[in-house]
Amino acid sequence: AQSVSQHNHHVILSEAASLELGCNYSYGGTVNLFWYVQYPGQHLQLLLKYFSGDPLVKGIKGFEAEFIKSKFSFNLRKPSVQWSDTAEYFCAVRDTGRRALTFGSGTRLQVQP
Amino acid sequence: EAQVTQNPRYLITVTGKKLTVTCSQNMNHEYMSWYRQDPGLGLRQIYYSMNVEVTDKGDVPEGYKVSRKEKRNFPLILESPSPNQTSLYFCASSLSLSGANVLTFGAGSRLTVL
Repeated sequence: AQSVSQHNHHVILSEAASLELGCNYSYGGTVNLFWYVQYPGQHLQLLLKYFSGDPLVKGIKGFEAEFIKSKFSFNLRKPSVQWSDTAEYFCAVRDTGRRALTFGSGTRLQVQP
Repeated sequence: EAQVTQNPRYLITVTGKKLTVTCSQNMNHEYMSWYRQDPGLGLRQIYYSMNVEVTDKGDVPEGYKVSRKEKRNFPLILESPSPNQTSLYFCASSLSLSGANVLTFGAGSRLTVL
């Protein structure tokens, strides 16, 4: 079965620090990749997605992610985080043959002012 | 406004008392799904529906039922809730599961079973 690993469970950064959150998945076929963000007390919102084409994907609020097929990875990056980026971040993978979106366990990001 | 609406948002109940969490979307989406979110486990799919009268089990279906009698509604039914079903539940929908379609999530329903 498909699995998605987010190795960083809790990340604490100071404002202006750079961010990279890891995401690895197990499926070797064609995949669609997503990062969702959940701000405190809110529902999940799409941050960015990769379906095909340029493996470097830009999303909202200055976030970007790079799909590296050979490493089965889709890491999320932001050059300079803000306090308002404090949230939980979920990587999700959909293999095009299945009917489910598999989520990682999430990474809680805490940005200190 | 395009949205997925869940009710109730918060519920405290007791073991064995049947409850239903409603989910409604106004986007004419074919695909709808229920997830539960638990600390350290992320989101796990309970049930999904590809269209009216078409439902299927996700990864953690035990203890839950669903129905899809109308396109817009996808209620989650707990016939006999147990404490291990205490969780945060999200309903989501998308036009379909193919192409560039992404999920739109509801605001969540926090359920506590005593």
